Amino acid sequence: GAGVSQSPSNKVTEKGKDVELRCDPISGHTALYWYRQSLGQGLEFLIYFQGNSAPDKSGLPSDRFSAERTGGSVSTLTIQRTQQEDSAVYLCASSLDGAGGYTFGSGTRLTVV
Amino acid sequence: KQEVTQIPAALSVPEGENLVLNCSFTDSAIYNLQWFRQDPGKGLTSLLLIQSSQREQTSGRLNASLDKSSGRSTLYIAASQPGDSATYLCAAMNTNAGKSTFGDGTTLTVKP
Repeated sequence: GAGVSQSPSNKVTEKGKDVELRCDPISGHTALYWYRQSLGQGLEFLIYFQGNSAPDKSGLPSDRFSAERTGGSVSTLTIQRTQQEDSAVYLCASSLDGAGGYTFGSGTRLTVV
Repeated sequence: KQEVTQIPAALSVPEGENLVLNCSFTDSAIYNLQWFRQDPGKGLTSLLLIQSSQREQTSGRLNASLDKSSGRSTLYIAASQPGDSATYLCAAMNTNAGKSTFGDGTTLTVKP
């Protein structure tokens, strides 16, 4: 597509529920990144994909967080048993290759109540 | 481990003033440095991307410079306007990390 698309744009979920966040990168971009931004905070790296593999998943906060990428395109970030501290904006970015500039999506605002 | 620092955290200027935002990084082994703009409640919009072999990039009233040896980048905004009010973030992509490290940003307010 023309840009990076994220869905849903907003998600309110009850504590303990699982959520899935989707990222559709720019067509042809091999690298895909997930970051999160808590209220008033900077960007926190979560995971990096090159193609379908994840060379760096060091930023995933706990084993409740997982991500996959299929067909070298769409990525899904899954958070199991959500907790209130998971509330944040989850941002996805893609780049042409592993050394190019980022293009960000508009983010998914997750609120855990 | 790369660390990126942006000073000041906040800046307020009158309309029409030229200004410089600073970004420093600890590891000079970078592929590129990218400047972004973030409006409240919005995502990040790319402003300028400087590859490691370049010294500067320009787009309209914006000019970004890169000095790898000193670990510094600056974003120069000419003739500031109220519409420039936003948070500006810089990000350094390391050659050995595959990801970018972001500064915490400088929040700019341009007063009419």
